[in-house]
Amino acid sequence: GAVVSQHPSRVICKSGTSVKIECRSLDFQATTMFWYRQFPKQSLMLMATSNEGSKATYEQGVEKDKFLINHASLTLSTLTVTSAHPEDSSFYICSARDETRSYNEQFFGPGTRLTVL
Amino acid sequence: AQRVTQPEKLLSVFKGAPVELKCNYSYSGSPELFWYVQYSRQRLQLLLRHISRESIKGFTADLNKGETSFHLKKPFAQEEDSAMYYCALSRGGSNYKLTFGKGTLLTVNP
Repeated sequence: GAVVSQHPSRVICKSGTSVKIECRSLDFQATTMFWYRQFPKQSLMLMATSNEGSKATYEQGVEKDKFLINHASLTLSTLTVTSAHPEDSSFYICSARDETRSYNEQFFGPGTRLTVL
Repeated sequence: AQRVTQPEKLLSVFKGAPVELKCNYSYSGSPELFWYVQYSRQRLQLLLRHISRESIKGFTADLNKGETSFHLKKPFAQEEDSAMYYCALSRGGSNYKLTFGKGTLLTVNP
């Protein structure tokens, strides 16, 4: 149980285009999901907290107009990288929290590799 | 703001040797501490958390509030323990955001 999927696993796009990444909790409901960014050989950096039915909460320094987050259902959050540029190339990882558990455990997706040409 | 420090980027040991992955944190409140592991070509997964005080795959970690540390230990390393290990902190209560350390790549040699 507690599986999180991401789609696509890999995407290549041209500079200036927008890319949407989906994060799904497959066998549990998640009112809270998280989006991370990971640079090569570096740690995960939290970008934003995605809240079902309300606006996402962005970390300091993350442009909310650049990284649009929508959490329209209890099992799906999407991250849209708008007007992507090469510096947006990175590994994007989502996680979801299973609220039925009494402790704070986040389940991670496999990640999406974004390459902007 | 909270911070998690893992001083070793790389750690290499031989099979059967003890291993300790260091983690120090800075946070003025009462945090929750976690160790996450990422095996090659796999997603990040929870290894253990300080609240449960359990041993998973032979690993243990004790929260030392005086030294603000949460080191991960295993008395006898196995080759299958080779992976990337991340220490993470959340502020506890209803704040579930995780702050990760930079990770330590553990290699267990035969």
